[in-house]
Amino acid sequence: EVQLVESGGGLVQPGGSLRLSCAASGFTFSAYWMSWVRQAPGKGLEWVANIKQDGSRIYYVDSVKGRFTISRDNAKNSLYLQMNSLRAEDTAVYYCARLVQRQTYDYWGQGTVVTVSS
Amino acid sequence: QSVLTQPPSVSAAPGQKVTISCSGSSSNIGNNYVSWYQQFPGTAPKLLIYDNDKRPSGIPDRFSGSKSGTSATLGITGLQTGDEADYYCGTWDSSLSGGVFGGGTKVTVL
Repeated sequence: EVQLVESGGGLVQPGGSLRLSCAASGFTFSAYWMSWVRQAPGKGLEWVANIKQDGSRIYYVDSVKGRFTISRDNAKNSLYLQMNSLRAEDTAVYYCARLVQRQTYDYWGQGTVVTVSS
Repeated sequence: QSVLTQPPSVSAAPGQKVTISCSGSSSNIGNNYVSWYQQFPGTAPKLLIYDNDKRPSGIPDRFSGSKSGTSATLGITGLQTGDEADYYCGTWDSSLSGGVFGGGTKVTVL
């Protein structure tokens, strides 16, 4: 059974940092692109970043470029999102998702909540 | 402001049909495949439709997808109270080099 479990969310002050983790199991993690998708309170889904199987190709939404870094450790079956210079508008539930062909997210984690507030 | 445009809400009586539109442009829907997701309050999204019109195993054939030009449509027939949820379309945008979603559509069963 495919499982994605996020962790690392919490309350952080504006300008602060957080590192989210996503532990994957039930599939060959190293064979798949992975993504982070977020959802602000009461809002819709927003794609954040993609990373290729070996980390050689990465894409970000413009609003996080230069502040967020997606990475992975295939030996640990884990996906990460390092978030720096956090802003109030980064407040959201952050989902880890497995990415299959043609930008389809076929499995999602339960999400981790990030709140940026003073 | 989402790149893909969906109606905020649709509704119908039990047993009826609803359709949800998703409008985009040549840089996204027009040249890429569309997927659809169902989300209940407080839970993660779930894949409903991929590659415009394919259903993952376990998704009932009451759910269907189609695409024409720069628009896509999700159809739900035989509407049930359990279908009350938010529905999102998504695809890749070649100009933005990123994933994009619609703003979401809330389905209400009257």
